[in-house]
Amino acid sequence: EVQLLESGGGLVQPGGSLTLSCAASGFTFSSYALSWVRQAPGKGLEWVSTISVTGITTYYAASAKGHFTISRDNSMNTLYLQMNRLRAEDTAVYYCAKGNDYYESSGYDFWGQGTLVTVSS
Amino acid sequence: SYELTQPPSVSVSPGQTANITCSGDKLGDKYASWYQQKPGQSPVQVIYQDTKRPSGIPERFSGFNSGHTATLTISGTQGMDEADYYCQTWDSSAVVFGGGTKLTVL
Repeated sequence: EVQLLESGGGLVQPGGSLTLSCAASGFTFSSYALSWVRQAPGKGLEWVSTISVTGITTYYAASAKGHFTISRDNSMNTLYLQMNRLRAEDTAVYYCAKGNDYYESSGYDFWGQGTLVTVSS
Repeated sequence: SYELTQPPSVSVSPGQTANITCSGDKLGDKYASWYQQKPGQSPVQVIYQDTKRPSGIPERFSGFNSGHTATLTISGTQGMDEADYYCQTWDSSAVVFGGGTKLTVL
């Protein structure tokens, strides 16, 4: 059974940092592209970032570029999102999502339960 | 940047067919996925690569993508299908989601 378990969310002050983790199990982690998708309270889904199977290639939404960093550890079956210089508009539930296949352009067949990040003073 | 446009809401009577559209420039040249999200839950993929259903998704869910519009069709809509639905594609090295459609079954 595929499982994606996010952790690391919480309350952080504006300008602060957080690192989210997504522990994966139930599939060959190193064979799938992975992404972070967020959802602000009462809003729709917003793509944040995607990483290739090797971790060499990364993609970012304009809102994340320059202050978020995606990475993966294929030996630990874990996906990360380092978030710096956090702003109020980064407040959202952050989901880890598994690609349908190897390609970064694929859809997402499994999603984690999400972790809430609240940026507030 | 690329945009996907969905109607904010669609209503359907139980047992009838619901069609949810997603429009984008030459969307038919790309793959579209669809996700169902119920309140307080994570999204669930119901269609990928335009027409394919993931394992466990009922046959009443189908998809089509051509020209500038992708369509999610729910045949014999049930009360449990009431949810938000999002389309998604990939364009110019970026993932794009539609704004979402609230499906009401009444």
